[in-house]
Amino acid sequence: GAGVSQSPSNKVTEKGKDVELRCDPISGHTALYWYRQRLGQGLEFLIYFQGNSAPDKSGLPSDRFSAERTGESVSTLTIQRTQQEDSAVYLCASSLAFFGGAGADTDTQYFGPGTRLTVL
Amino acid sequence: AQKITQTQPGMFVQEKEAVTLDCTYDTSDPSYGLFWYKQPSSGEMIFLIYQGSYDQQNATEGRYSLNFQKARKSANLVISASQLGDSAMYFCALTGNQFYFGTGTSLTVIP
Repeated sequence: GAGVSQSPSNKVTEKGKDVELRCDPISGHTALYWYRQRLGQGLEFLIYFQGNSAPDKSGLPSDRFSAERTGESVSTLTIQRTQQEDSAVYLCASSLAFFGGAGADTDTQYFGPGTRLTVL
Repeated sequence: AQKITQTQPGMFVQEKEAVTLDCTYDTSDPSYGLFWYKQPSSGEMIFLIYQGSYDQQNATEGRYSLNFQKARKSANLVISASQLGDSAMYFCALTGNQFYFGTGTSLTVIP
């Protein structure tokens, strides 16, 4: 079946502009996750959704970052007034559910190809 | 607090040899899952193996096995019979009430 897809694959924007990044999870996956990966670094967890609800938004770097999910499907990560330090690859993942330790079938996160954001 | 620690920024292994990538974790959750992912230079994140906190046996997936020592809070990845295509970044991850990825280990397989 289809995997996680993200769009755009690349985005170049000017400092101060707003950007929207889109994620289409695997069909039937109720949990969706956003991560940021700066060049040469590990993954930084941003936010997750269980259904359309985001129980914990504390991972978002600043109030310029927001995310929403509709219809237990597509999610959008919005970055307002972009800064150069926002340049990174933004990765989206989905899993069947979110239970933490419930088993591989439930917990395994499958990743999309990422969106490479460059802020000039 | 929960966290993942990978202490080996870079590792080298001879082709066809086995290699162990270290991962320790810290969590207060009674139920959690541990993952290993591979990230080649292409950037995609590839799921390798999963270990649940209640699993009694170490997870295995082909050439990958996870040496899970719950009391020591370690979840080391063992790759047997290394291949050139195994050269990549490897990330250990913890899922429970939060989600944490380690800083990664860069593995280079030498012909």
